[in-house]
Amino acid sequence: EAQVTQNPRYLITVTGKKLTVTCSQNMNHEYMSWYRQDPGLGLRQIYYSMNVEVTDKGDVPEGYKVSRKEKRNFPLILESPSPNQTSLYFCASSSYYTDRETQYFGPGTRLLVL
Amino acid sequence: GESVGLHLPTLSVQEGDNSIINCAYSNSASDYFIWYKQESGKGPQFIIDIRSNMDKRQGQRVTVLLNKTVKHLSLQIAATQPGDSAVYFCAESPNTGKLIFGQGTTLQVKP
Repeated sequence: EAQVTQNPRYLITVTGKKLTVTCSQNMNHEYMSWYRQDPGLGLRQIYYSMNVEVTDKGDVPEGYKVSRKEKRNFPLILESPSPNQTSLYFCASSSYYTDRETQYFGPGTRLLVL
Repeated sequence: GESVGLHLPTLSVQEGDNSIINCAYSNSASDYFIWYKQESGKGPQFIIDIRSNMDKRQGQRVTVLLNKTVKHLSLQIAATQPGDSAVYFCAESPNTGKLIFGQGTTLQVKP
């Protein structure tokens, strides 16, 4: 089954404790992206990647890092999480060279930073 | 800055009626528009898309209309069903590898 998976689905952590949210897709997509979703603000793009070793900032990149060492994986790293990063996070992927804007989303990761 | 907005945060319709969800976008450079549906506890799901060289596109029970003159996008759902209850987002792509989402409209279908 074609899908985007994220882990963990739920995470509670404390301020300053580094964490990584993993994202993996099995569709051989070139394009991957991370979004955060907050009430009243909709979905905002954090980082995106056009292909392996190619990443770029979205609209709200502060406090986040990403890496794209393999085509299928695009982890989101919070080096020193803060309470304002409490949010619902979505990973998405698409085929950049054929249908890039049709992004397929993962199930989401709900993060609470205390 | 760039923004995509929806006119109404909530829309309530009777089962079997047609639904119309509206969206206004601001970036004239956007050439691709998408509607997503998000059910509770799930990620957004692609519904239908339209390119800027088109005015209308139809899918199964859904139609998207694009009015570039007034930068307006709408999603029409025919014979709305309880399973259509969800939050609907429009999104625009200015062809830079980015998607800009609106804030969403919650569709409530009354039995």
